[in-house]
Amino acid sequence: EAGVTQFPSHSVIEKGQTVTLRCDPISGHDNLYWYRRVMGKEIKFLLHFVKESKQDESGMPNNRFLAERTGGTYSTLKVQPAELEDSGVYFCASSPVPLAGGRGGELFFGEGSRLTVL
Amino acid sequence: KQEVTQIPAALSVPEGENLVLNCSFTDSAIYNLQWFRQDPGKGLTSLLLIQSSQREQTSGRLNASLDKSSGRSTLYIAASQPGDSATYLCAVTPSGTYKYIFGTGTRLKVLA
Repeated sequence: EAGVTQFPSHSVIEKGQTVTLRCDPISGHDNLYWYRRVMGKEIKFLLHFVKESKQDESGMPNNRFLAERTGGTYSTLKVQPAELEDSGVYFCASSPVPLAGGRGGELFFGEGSRLTVL
Repeated sequence: KQEVTQIPAALSVPEGENLVLNCSFTDSAIYNLQWFRQDPGKGLTSLLLIQSSQREQTSGRLNASLDKSSGRSTLYIAASQPGDSATYLCAVTPSGTYKYIFGTGTRLKVLA
């Protein structure tokens, strides 16, 4: 069974440009999460989808970030326009349990997309 | 506000040693705690998941304990090997939420 896959693995863009990160969760996992690690800091929650609905987007830094999940399958995270402080590693995770990460679920993480904004 | 701290930040040990990694959290109202391993440039691999009602979990040479009342968890690695070299992260799910709060990790190096 394929794990959580993320694309691209690394993206280098200029400040002001747009970048779209993609995540394909494990098949059948309704819960999808985005997390981010900026240099020297801990991994932080961005948002949580249940199927195609946003359950919690309290961690999204600002309105330059837009996440979507088409048909409850793959998800995209768009940063527009990118700023220097957006550099970091963006992780996607998924889980089959409806309340995963809450009441008992185990999260499965992808390898992350490294974003460098110059 | 829940905060998770991991001590030490880095650790270097000779092969074969038993070692303990520490994780502390400020609010005992959690659903669960999960230990992860991260290799350089890779994603997070789940090691052990402990529910709030449990005291410990074991997998092979790994044993994780949870003392919710004192806000502590330890990850015990027996007979360490060079292949155990990685960054170890702990994360808790605060009650009433569906998101993990991560610690900054312990970078472990096991010397052959």
